[in-house]
Amino acid sequence: GEQVEQRPPHLSVPEGDSAVIICTYTDSATAYFYWYKQEPGAGLQLLMSVFSNVDRKEEQGLTVLLNKKDKQLSLNLTAAHPGDSAVYFCASTSSGQKLVFGQGTILKVYL
Amino acid sequence: AQTIHQWPVAEIKAVGSPLSLGCTIKGKSSPNLYWYWQATGGTLQQLFYSITVGQVESVVQLNLSASRPKDDQFILSTEKLLLSHSGFYLCAWRERDRSSYEQYFGPGTRLTVL
Repeated sequence: GEQVEQRPPHLSVPEGDSAVIICTYTDSATAYFYWYKQEPGAGLQLLMSVFSNVDRKEEQGLTVLLNKKDKQLSLNLTAAHPGDSAVYFCASTSSGQKLVFGQGTILKVYL
Repeated sequence: AQTIHQWPVAEIKAVGSPLSLGCTIKGKSSPNLYWYWQATGGTLQQLFYSITVGQVESVVQLNLSASRPKDDQFILSTEKLLLSHSGFYLCAWRERDRSSYEQYFGPGTRLTVL
């Protein structure tokens, strides 16, 4: 079945810098990709969804790139601020029912 | 607007005791519903999903069961808790016929088994 490897597990950046998180997936049939944000003790907030026919998507300071050749999905937070500090997860699905998650990245944005 | 509610917010239970966790979706008719488990500091593992009342599919066996007694309700339960059941349980929903398959998560229930 689909496996998703996410890196780095921890990421610390100063305010104003970019933060990049990368996920590598295994199943070429994967159709949909997602990025979620989880704050301490809370549920997951959907940040962005990307269909497999999209190479790049930008929304509200976030850029998602999809490299189908290398089976890589990346999330770039431009100009990060302390409020972006959280755990970020990538996820993917080909069936629509089973969502497979990456291991998560703990992002800390410091002043 | 859709709202998703999970109860209880947190539970502390003894090994071997029963458990029932609930999830309710308001403002959305006939959603697909999902249960996930998250170990402390870990990733999410999908446990069950349901596309209609009375039908539940198991994704992974963890000595848990799920039921969907109403269109807007999803229940996770077990008769005997194990220490390994500790963690964060999340319910999610998505629109049945929407092609993007986006899942939206509830606030979660923190379970501690002692």
